[in-house]
Amino acid sequence: DQQVKQNSPSLSVQEGRISILNCDYTNSMFDYFLWYKKYPAEGPTFLISISSIKDKNEDGRFTVFLNKSAKHLSLHIVPSQPGDSAVYFCAAQNTGNQFYFGTGTSLTVIP
Amino acid sequence: EAEVAQSPRYKITEKSQAVAFWCDPISGHATLYWYRQILGQGPELLVQFQDESVVDDSQLPKDRFSAERLKGVDSTLKIQPAELGDSAMYLCASATGNTDTQYFGPGTRLTVL
Repeated sequence: DQQVKQNSPSLSVQEGRISILNCDYTNSMFDYFLWYKKYPAEGPTFLISISSIKDKNEDGRFTVFLNKSAKHLSLHIVPSQPGDSAVYFCAAQNTGNQFYFGTGTSLTVIP
Repeated sequence: EAEVAQSPRYKITEKSQAVAFWCDPISGHATLYWYRQILGQGPELLVQFQDESVVDDSQLPKDRFSAERLKGVDSTLKIQPAELGDSAMYLCASATGNTDTQYFGPGTRLTVL
């Protein structure tokens, strides 16, 4: 059973515009959420995280929003750059310190 | 910048053969994870170590997979015998503690023929 879901396998955005990547989860025991970025032939790289006690965390061009009531989080990239083209994974950690990853969304930023 | 090292980067083997993957975590990281990532899916945890002890191996197919971290530093993941369905990317990650951000290695791409 997939506890973390990324329903959009791919997304294309024009350079300079906003990219919004979405993630849904089913387990209310998740209390920490992360986004990872993955280039081909490389391992995932940590991007940004958010604790369940917050609803927003910002780091430069990247902002993560958490809606606990909807069990939904999103990653906003503004402005999008061609170098942002990669696969983005959402991950969630439960109170037992177990991590679950989504299936990934492939972002293409078109110059 | 410290990185997680994995070798080999690529491995091709025939089914029923034995394969082994090696991971060297970032120095000082007590927690080490092995994940399997099938093409088109997210990483799936196989085993988690805290120092030399296994914390979680509930998803590890123990009839053919084994993992060890004898001195609490580097780790080896073994598959014997390999099956066609084992073809995947095997990722190692480390963290300072089991609640901290994980840092991933480049992975080992396994192809079983």
